[in-house]
Amino acid sequence: AQSVTQLDSQVPVFEEAPVELRCNYSSSVSVYLFWYVQYPNQGLQLLLKYLSGSTLVKGINGFEAEFNKSQTSFHLRKPSVHISDTAEYFCAVSEGSGGGADGLTFGKGTHLIIQP
Amino acid sequence: DAGVTQSPTHLIKTRGQQVTLRCSPKSGHDTVSWYQQALGQGPQFIFQYYEEEERQRGNFPDRFSGHQFPNYSSELNVNALWLGDSALYLCASSLVVTGHYGYTFGSGTRLTVV
Repeated sequence: AQSVTQLDSQVPVFEEAPVELRCNYSSSVSVYLFWYVQYPNQGLQLLLKYLSGSTLVKGINGFEAEFNKSQTSFHLRKPSVHISDTAEYFCAVSEGSGGGADGLTFGKGTHLIIQP
Repeated sequence: DAGVTQSPTHLIKTRGQQVTLRCSPKSGHDTVSWYQQALGQGPQFIFQYYEEEERQRGNFPDRFSGHQFPNYSSELNVNALWLGDSALYLCASSLVVTGHYGYTFGSGTRLTVV
């Protein structure tokens, strides 16, 4: 069975500083990987996804992530954060064998706190 | 273009009662998936509906059931509520050809069981 570990429950960062949110997954087969953001009292918004191809994936709002198969990681990065990036970030994985019908397995989330 | 609409936004129920949550998918989408997000946790997959049938199910008991209507909207029913069912319930719509690769999430229904 697949699982996702987000190593930090909370990450405080100063405004305009870079940030990395860590995500490791466990699966016995090829996987598809996702990062979602959740603002207070809202649903989830897709930041980026890795399905195949280039291991460096660029997403919305200046975020990017790198798929590392040997380390089973999919860390999210942003070179310069803004106050508006304060939110909960979720890493998710799918083994893809269900053709998109199977659900995503999410990590517990990382709360990104931007300090002025 | 309307996104995913969920109703109600908040709900309080008593243990043992039954609840129905509703979801209208994004225009053009034909598939609806439901997730449960407990406080401080990531969402957990409940099930997915397509062509009015349950297509895939997560690790949830039979107390959780669903329905999809011909207009693609969906309901999530939970029977015999207990305190542990308190959570944010999220609906995600997509096209069947994209599945969870192309989810659009609603803002959720916050269910509190007392």
